[in-house]
Amino acid sequence: QKEVEQDPGPLSVPEGAIVSLNCTYSNSAFQYFMWYRQYSRKGPELLMYTYSSGNKEDGRFTAQVDKSSKYISLFIRDSQPSDSATYLCAMSDYNNAGNMLTFGGGTRLMVKP
Amino acid sequence: DAGVIQSPRHEVTEMGQEVTLRCKPISGHDYLFWYRQTMMRGLELLIYFNNNVPIDDSGMPEDRFSAKMPNASFSTLKIQPSEPRDSAVYFCASSLTGVNQPQHFGDGTRLSIL
Repeated sequence: QKEVEQDPGPLSVPEGAIVSLNCTYSNSAFQYFMWYRQYSRKGPELLMYTYSSGNKEDGRFTAQVDKSSKYISLFIRDSQPSDSATYLCAMSDYNNAGNMLTFGGGTRLMVKP
Repeated sequence: DAGVIQSPRHEVTEMGQEVTLRCKPISGHDYLFWYRQTMMRGLELLIYFNNNVPIDDSGMPEDRFSAKMPNASFSTLKIQPSEPRDSAVYFCASSLTGVNQPQHFGDGTRLSIL
């Protein structure tokens, strides 16, 4: 079993829909959670960065962490065709002086006009 | 500020040839990471450096792979001899010093070994 699991998709939604992307993990020591967006033929781009449990909002994006369930989510409101990309979750444990990340495999999202 | 810069963007070469991938991290970032991305295995960490010193190379698949960081603004990943199974996208990322700083990625080198 992988340390971080992510449904590979593809997830296809109509423009304007609310999108929910999810990751589950097994290491209870993970404290820092990130979401990266990767467009085709580009590198991963940091989208959201949260610590411990709770919600964080940035424009149309909301990151949610439930440490008790070892489950994190990224919500995209009013999805746009430009949101079509692969979304990777990443996480690290406390006192990670090496800044090493454990990545999920990514979920491919397609937003249709 | 410029992001992480990688070159070349694409490389096509024949099996057995030496391949050198290059990376310039973000200025002031003390950590540098090399990753490989494939459809089957996703993003795999190959090696990372702190202040130009290799810290963990346990992800380097074979002795054919080597990485150097001669100074704070330049790193190379070399494959010699290359094999078709090395075909992948190779990413370089950098981060600031300090605990749990996020990594910032370059746009990668798409490598095809024929």
